[in-house]
Amino acid sequence: GAVVSQHPSWVICKSGTSVKIECRSLDFQATTMFWYRQFPKQSLMLMATSNEGSKATYEQGVEKDKFLINHASLTLSTLTVTSAHPEDSSFYICSAATGTGNTDTQYFGPGTRLTVL
Amino acid sequence: QKEVEQNSGPLSVPEGAIASLNCTYSDRGSQSFFWYRQYSGKSPELIMFIYSNGDKEDGRFTAQLNKASQYVSLLIRDSQPSDSATYLCAVNLNTDKLIFGTGTRLQVFP
Repeated sequence: GAVVSQHPSWVICKSGTSVKIECRSLDFQATTMFWYRQFPKQSLMLMATSNEGSKATYEQGVEKDKFLINHASLTLSTLTVTSAHPEDSSFYICSAATGTGNTDTQYFGPGTRLTVL
Repeated sequence: QKEVEQNSGPLSVPEGAIASLNCTYSDRGSQSFFWYRQYSGKSPELIMFIYSNGDKEDGRFTAQLNKASQYVSLLIRDSQPSDSATYLCAVNLNTDKLIFGTGTRLQVFP
């Protein structure tokens, strides 16, 4: 149980284009999903918290107009990197949690490696 | 002071030994504690979580929590080369967010 998928697993795009990443909870309903970014040899950095049916909550320093998050259903959240630039190249990982509160466990997707040329 | 601190390592242990990974946290209100394993180039995978003081065992893994000392640890018994990875400690600060440590890199050598 508690399987989270991400698509695509990797993507290469040209600078200035937009990239959409999907995150799905396959065997449970996720009222909360999280989007992280990880640069090489660094720890996870939380970008935003996404609740189904409401606007995402972005962490300080994360541009909400650049990283568009949509959590349209209890099993799907999407992250769109708009007008991507080489500095956006990173490993993007989503996680999903059931319910709300401080004892829920986050299960991670396999990640999406984005390379912007 | 960082909210969740881990020694970056690497921690090197021989195959078959016990690996001890440590984590301290700054917020006394923290409610739940998680250990994740992350192989190079992969996303984190949950090893175990602990909410109450004391020990919690799952197979070769034991999590230990001491809220008074604000300390959580992970013991790996009979370490195997396949356990070589970065181990991330994560703490829930009474919200739905997890705060991650920077991770400890474990190397198990044959």
